[in-house]
Amino acid sequence: EDQVTQSPEALRLQEGESSSLNCSYTVSGLRGLFWYRQDPGKGPEFLFTLYSAGEEKEKERLKATLTKKESFLHITAPKPEDSATYLCAVEDYGGSQGNLIFGKGTKLSVKP
Amino acid sequence: EPEVTQTPSHQVTQMGQEVILRCVPISNHLYFYWYRQILGQKVEFLVSFYNNEISEKSEIFDDQFSVERPDGSNFTLKIRSTKLEDSAMYFCASSSVAGVYEQYFGPGTRLTVT
Repeated sequence: EDQVTQSPEALRLQEGESSSLNCSYTVSGLRGLFWYRQDPGKGPEFLFTLYSAGEEKEKERLKATLTKKESFLHITAPKPEDSATYLCAVEDYGGSQGNLIFGKGTKLSVKP
Repeated sequence: EPEVTQTPSHQVTQMGQEVILRCVPISNHLYFYWYRQILGQKVEFLVSFYNNEISEKSEIFDDQFSVERPDGSNFTLKIRSTKLEDSAMYFCASSSVAGVYEQYFGPGTRLTVT
C-alpha cells in the first residue's frame, strides 16, 4: 500500500485556469510534508515544507495547505512555465530520519 | 545560490562493471542522501550519510552499493557490479539538518546499464 498518493496523475490547464493538486498520505506520525517541482530530466526542486495541520505556505502562484490526511497544492492563474511534475513527499516518525517517501507525482501542463 | 552538483550527467556501462557516481553537496550541509528514480516511477530513498557513516539505508541499498565521502567536498555512490535493473536516474541530496529540513537535490546522473 502506497503511503503517499497523488492525484490526478496528469492535469492539463489553460493559462489562467486555477486548480488544485492533491496529496494524501498515510503515516504513523508526520514529521513533515514536502512539495517539490521536477522538470523533465532534472532533479526535484524544493518548494515548501509543511509540519502541522492547518499550516499554509505561499510562493508566487503556488499555495500549499495541510490537513491531518492530505495536502493540497493550489495553483492560481497558472502560466505555461508552471508546467512540470509536482512531487509530494513525507517524512514519517515511524521511518528513518531524512528518508523522504515520495508520491508518483502530478504532471501539470499549462497551455497558452 | 548554492547548489548540489553531480557528475557525470550520463553514464553508460556494461552489466557487471563498477560505476562511481559523484556529488558535491552544498558546502555548509552536513547530511547527505542518495535517491534513485527508475524511468516513469517514484523517487526512492537509497541511503543517508552523516559524520562519515551511513545513518540509514533502504532495502534497495544492498551489498552492491557503497557510499563514501573521500574528501571535504565530494560524496560518492559506488555500484560494484551493475545489473540491468540498476538503470535509473540517481539523485544526490543534502540538508543542513537531519529530519524535517528541506533536502536540496542535484540534477542527477542518468545511469544506463547495457
